[in-house]
This record gives sequence, structure tokens and C-alpha cells, in this order.
Amino acid sequence: AQSVTQLGSHVSVSEGALVLLRCNYSSSVPPYLFWYVQYPNQGLQLLLKYTTGATLVKGINGFEAEFKKSETSFHLTKPSAHMSDAAEYFCAVSGYGQNFVFGPGTRLSVLP
Amino acid sequence: GAVVSQHPSRVICKSGTSVKIECRSLDFQATTMFWYRQFPKKSLMLMATSNEGSKATYEQGVEKDKFLINHASLTLSTLTVTSAHPEDSSFYICSARDPKLGQGPDTQYFGPGTRLTVL
Repeated sequence: AQSVTQLGSHVSVSEGALVLLRCNYSSSVPPYLFWYVQYPNQGLQLLLKYTTGATLVKGINGFEAEFKKSETSFHLTKPSAHMSDAAEYFCAVSGYGQNFVFGPGTRLSVLP
Repeated sequence: GAVVSQHPSRVICKSGTSVKIECRSLDFQATTMFWYRQFPKKSLMLMATSNEGSKATYEQGVEKDKFLINHASLTLSTLTVTSAHPEDSSFYICSARDPKLGQGPDTQYFGPGTRLTVL
């Protein structure tokens, strides 16, 4: 079985500040991990993914995430928040032959 | 990259009517497609897995007679919400797997979603 938790349903940061969105997972198989962003009334846009190999993954729009197996975490970071980063962010876990399991989401607000 | 489209992007219907939502893979043939439902301010929940030419596999708690899924071709899957009621109002998102990229979960591409509002 797989599951995802995202600490903080709502995170607010100031423009230019560090963005940190937390994701912890559980998986009975080697995990594939994903971060998606969703803008209002739109579908999911893939930010980045971890499958195998390098544990620090760089994605679009300056986001990156690090897979830490010992901590079962895949936190999303961005050094400097921009107003356009305000959206809903979903962490998801899957595995070979497994379905996607999405976390509950974290709404990011960016304050001017 | 691969593109998955959905039509319509939003639909409003009266209670008791049926609504069909289409999911298309535009530049690849998808042997497997997935349907998700997203309640307001909630996460996505997998409803069913659709395999071309065979019956869909529904997740526990999803009424298969309510949510009819057809995957008649390698580029099209449809979700029909039958006898829709206000509680069926939701955001429905499909995804499609590109078999040329293997069977890993990173071979899935998500559609833009369909907003269904039942009055």
C-alpha cells in the first residue's frame, strides 16, 4: 500500500522568500515520486519527478526536490518565491505496476 | 511531450441527465487510461482504470453503473455520468499511459480536466 502526507494544507510566504512544501510517503515498493502544480480550474502540470538515480531532482520554474529514503520524504523547494507560484501543489507516489496516490495538497500563497 | 486532451472543459447540466466526457491522447496510442475525480479543495481520487478493448476496473466505492467508462480506441476513453445529481459535481481528470515509454508510472500524462456542474 502507498500513501502520501503533505504537512500544511496552506503555506504562505513572502515574495522572494524560500518556498518549502513538505511531502512524506510510504510505499511497499521502490517509489516513484512526483510534484504537480494546479492553478485554479486547471489540470495538473508536472513540476518534477523522481524515478531512479540522482536524488536531487530539478524541475520547471526553479523548483527542486530531494528524495530522502531514510526520511521517506520528497520535499519541494524553491529559493525565491514569485507571485506566479501561488497555486495548489500535490505530491504523489507511485511505483512500477502501481497506481498514483496523491497527497491532500498544499495551497501556496505568495504575499507581496 | 505527450498531450492529453479532454472535452468539454466545463459542462453544466440538469439533474437527471447524462453527461459524456472525452479523454484523448493526441500524439500517442494509449492502451491504458485513468479517470480521477477531484472534489472542491480536495485531492485527486482514482475512480477507474480503463484498458482499450476491455472492461474498466473500478476502485472500491465507485459505482460502475453510475460512471460508465468506455475505451473503444487507442486514443479515446469516455466517462459518462449517468442520471447526474448535484453531488456528482466535481472536477474530472483523465490520464493516459504511453506504452512506448514502458509501464512505469512516469509514462502517464494528465489531461486538463473537465468541470462538471449539476444543477
